[in-house]
Formats: sequence, C-alpha cells, structure tokens
Amino acid sequence: KAGVTQTPRYLIKTRGQQVTLSCSPISGHRSVSWYQQTPGQGLQFLFEYFSETQRNKGNFPGRFSGRQFSNSRSEMNVSTLELGDSALYLCASSLVRGAGTGELFFGEGSRLTVL
Amino acid sequence: QQPVQSPQAVILREGEDAVINCSSSKALYSVHWYRQKHGEAPVFLMILLKGGEQKGHEKISASFNEKKQQSSLYLTASQLSYSGTYFCGTERETGTASKLTFGTGTRLQVTL
Repeated sequence: KAGVTQTPRYLIKTRGQQVTLSCSPISGHRSVSWYQQTPGQGLQFLFEYFSETQRNKGNFPGRFSGRQFSNSRSEMNVSTLELGDSALYLCASSLVRGAGTGELFFGEGSRLTVL
Repeated sequence: QQPVQSPQAVILREGEDAVINCSSSKALYSVHWYRQKHGEAPVFLMILLKGGEQKGHEKISASFNEKKQQSSLYLTASQLSYSGTYFCGTERETGTASKLTFGTGTRLQVTL
C-alpha cells in the first residue's frame, strides 16, 4: 500500500514569508504527527492530530500551526519565516493512538530552506 | 527533555557487533527505536514497553532497564545495510505514543 506522502519535497522561501506543507497519511491511519529535523537538534515534535483534533503540541512558537481534514490529510503552516526554520519537516502517520501501538510511518519529508 | 544517546557515531567492519545506548532522566513508559538512512525517512525498528514487552519487525534486539531508564539496541553481525542514523524515541506516559521525544541520534557506518 502507498506510504506517507509529503508535498512539496523541497522549497525555498525568504524571511517573513509563510509556507504550507502537506501530508497524506497511509490509508486508514487517523493519527498524523509532525516533526522538525535539524542536524543539531535531531527530531523535535511539533504537533499531533487525531480525527481532526490537535491532541498534542510541542514547544514551538505560535507561528507553527497545523490542521487535519476529515480524510486524515494534514497540513502544517509556518508564518513569518525565520532563518532558523530551515529544516526537514517530517510527517508521520499511525493507525491508532495509545501506548505501545505507536509505530510511526514517516514520509520522506519536506526540506525547507529560508533565505 | 531529550534522551541522551551514546555513542554519537561509530564505525564498524561488516560482521562486527555494536551497542547503542539511550538514557533518560525521566521515568519512561516505552522506548522506540528508528533508523534513518541518508536522504530517506526514518523507519521503525522496535518498541520496548515498561514491563518487558517488545514489538519489532527486524532481527535486531534491544533491552529496556526500567530502573535506570535506559535502553540499549544490539546490532549483531552488522551488515552494510545497517548503516544509518539510529534514533531512540521516548514516551513518558500512556496514550502519547505519537508524541515521542527523540535523541539526537547515533550515526552508524558499516564498512567492508
């Protein structure tokens, strides 16, 4: 079956702009989470959506937001981009929430470069 | 708070063994292990739950010491395909498995 699909794969923006990233989870998966990956910090949790509701949120400023649609597809938005937002943004889907069942299936990511 | 992984990097010859450690200062419910090859998505390896249950998909073993809040990933008879960056992700309470706190990774390179 098809994996997690993220678009766009690469994008370049300038400071102050905004960006929207899209994630299509594996069919049947209702949980979508987003991570920011940078060389120094590794993978850092942004937020998780389950059945269109944000269930968890990481320690990122309000410029980072997201949403999930009824078909489980998710988008994340970053407004007023800063140089430090340059990173690989990974989306991961899972079948259910709950301890011990949280195998995450990651997409290949959207690489954002802010100039 | 991020778990601490050690070593940060390791180079092995094919056939050698390696151990990657993951330590947390907080009480954990579970530890998850992922491997990411260069330019690819992280791939699930294993979940270790408090109480000893393990769930995995590959011939890789791991342990979880609940008293010390430490997990170790054992790579035996390494193959070239084992090369990549290994991340541990920790879960501190039930129901938050989708919110994992990842370490900064251990880069493993297997050579001929």
